[in-house]
Amino acid sequence: GAVVSQHPSRVICKSGTSVKIECRSLDFQATTMFWYRQFPKQSLMLMATSNEGSKATYEQGVEKDKFLINHASLTLSTLTVTSAHPEDSSFYICSATSGAADTQYFGPGTRLTVL
Amino acid sequence: GNSVTQMEGPVTLSEEAFLTINCTYTATGYPSLFWYVQYPGEGLQLLLKATKADDKGSNKGFEATYRKETTSFHLEKGSVQVSDSAVYFCALSDLRSGNTGKLIFGQGTTLQVKP
Repeated sequence: GAVVSQHPSRVICKSGTSVKIECRSLDFQATTMFWYRQFPKQSLMLMATSNEGSKATYEQGVEKDKFLINHASLTLSTLTVTSAHPEDSSFYICSATSGAADTQYFGPGTRLTVL
Repeated sequence: GNSVTQMEGPVTLSEEAFLTINCTYTATGYPSLFWYVQYPGEGLQLLLKATKADDKGSNKGFEATYRKETTSFHLEKGSVQVSDSAVYFCALSDLRSGNTGKLIFGQGTTLQVKP
């Protein structure tokens, strides 16, 4: 149980294009989803927290107009990197939690490369 | 504010050696504590957790005890295997202080086990 999937697992795009990453909870309802970014050999940096049906809460320094987050249902959240640039290349990981539970379950991550 | 500090890696051990990865935390409330493991190119997997003082989390031969008096949650395993080679993250979550349940991660410790 508590499986989270991400799609795609890898994406390569040209500079200036937008990329959408999906995060799905497969066997539970995710009231809250989190989006992280991880640079090579570093820890995870929380980008934003999203609750189903409401606007995401972004961490300080994260551009909400660049990283659009939508959490339209209890099983799906999407992260759209708009007008991507090479510095946006990174490993993006989502996680999900249910109700008042404090355990987050992580997706396998999406490797974004912007040329 | 809340924070997590892990011992610096990389940690290199021979197979069947004893493992300890130190983790200490600071928190204003009553956090839950977690160890996550990340294998190369993958997302994070929950390894074990403890939700209150003196709780011991255990899984796959790994153990960690929530020590409030020393604010620690050290990860231990009696006999490591090559397949344990990965990056280990200590983290805390403090729902009860009104936070969103977001995780605060340590910097990660790379474990390399040699045959």
